[in-house]
Order: sequence, then C-alpha cells, then structure tokens
Amino acid sequence: QVRLQESGPGLVKPSQTLSLTCTVSGGSIRSGIYYWTWIRQPAGKGLEWIGRMYASGTTDYSSSLRSRVTISADSSKNQFSLRLSSVTAADTAVYYCARGGGGDYGHYYFDYWGQGTPVTVSS
Amino acid sequence: DIQMTQTPSSLSASVGDRVIITCRASQTISTYLNWYQQKPGKAPKLLIYAASSLQSGVPSRFTGSGSGTDFSLAISSLQPDDFTTYYCQQSHSIPRTFGQGTTVETK
Repeated sequence: QVRLQESGPGLVKPSQTLSLTCTVSGGSIRSGIYYWTWIRQPAGKGLEWIGRMYASGTTDYSSSLRSRVTISADSSKNQFSLRLSSVTAADTAVYYCARGGGGDYGHYYFDYWGQGTPVTVSS
Repeated sequence: DIQMTQTPSSLSASVGDRVIITCRASQTISTYLNWYQQKPGKAPKLLIYAASSLQSGVPSRFTGSGSGTDFSLAISSLQPDDFTTYYCQQSHSIPRTFGQGTTVETK
C-alpha cells in the first residue's frame, strides 16, 4: 500500500521560505511511471495545484507560483520536497503531496494523497 | 490555463436522491477529467478518472460522463456518507486545474 506523509514547519514568517517534505512508503519515487505533486488548499477554499516532478527530475509548476517554487527529490530517502520562497499570508493553506498515477492513454490522476499539513504564514 | 467551472456550488438533497454535478472546461479536454470527493479535514479521494472510469473500491452509485468541455458526476442514490464536497480536475494540460467544488448538503 502506497502511503505519503507530509512534514515541515507549521508556521513560517512572511518573506521567508516555506519548506515541506513528503515521505513516500510502499513505492519508489524513482519509478518512471508516476509523478509526484504538491497541491494546496486555503481554509474553506478549493484545491490549487502547485507543481510536479518526475523521477527524471523534470518539473512543471503553476503559472502563478513558478517564480517562487521549487520541487526536488531525495531518492535515497524516498522523499520529495517543496520550497516556496517569499511567502505571504496568501500562502497560508493545508499543503498536500500526492502521486500522479495512471498513464493509460495519457490519463493521469492523483491516486494517493498525504493527509495534508497546515502551514500558517504569520509574524 | 484551463478554467474548470462546477455547477452548482452547493445543493441540498436527501438520502436516496439522485444528484448530478456538472463541470465545464474553458477549452476542450477530451476525456481528461477526474472527480474527487473530499470530506472535512481529509485529503481528497479519487472517484472517477478519464471522465467515466470508476476507481477501484468506489461504489457503483457514482457515475461519470462527458467529453470535450462538458462533464457530469451522478450519484444514483445518495447515502449518508456522500454528503460532502466534490471536485473535478482536468489532466489535459499543465497546469492542472480544479473546479471550485460542489458541496452536497442534507435537505
């Protein structure tokens, strides 16, 4: 059974960098048939895709966050990470990591999710 | 970016009712459309992928349909566990985008 678990500080000061890690168990992030994603959700609002990375290291990011976000992996620990710089209160949200699975005929979906970790940006 | 618009934003229904949630994409996405269910305080759960394929373990009362720009999620007979929020998501293009969500409430 694949499991994902987010970890990182729950409080970040404005203008600083938010750093989160997702630890994957039950599967390898080096598998080329999946990709690894970060998604966030402000309280009471909808889901926002942040970005993804493949085992190859290829990344894609949200248009609105591209200048501030980096997703990277540590395959030796079977983890992938999110860094979001210059945060403001608007970055306060629950952050989820998820696996992009599927692939049949190009149909991908988020089939496994972490439980989510709340992050507050405040001084 | 592809905009995903769900209607309605919320609906009221009773146990046993059939409900339909619609999702419209701002451009054609073939059948690259997924549906998720999210309960309060929990991560979303995949229900339907590729517009109409039922994810393993999901009850058959959930049905997805549509292609191009217009899609729907039907729940044939609402159960108490189904009163929660649903999201559509397109997997046609980067960036991936979600609808704003539809909350199914108890009448």
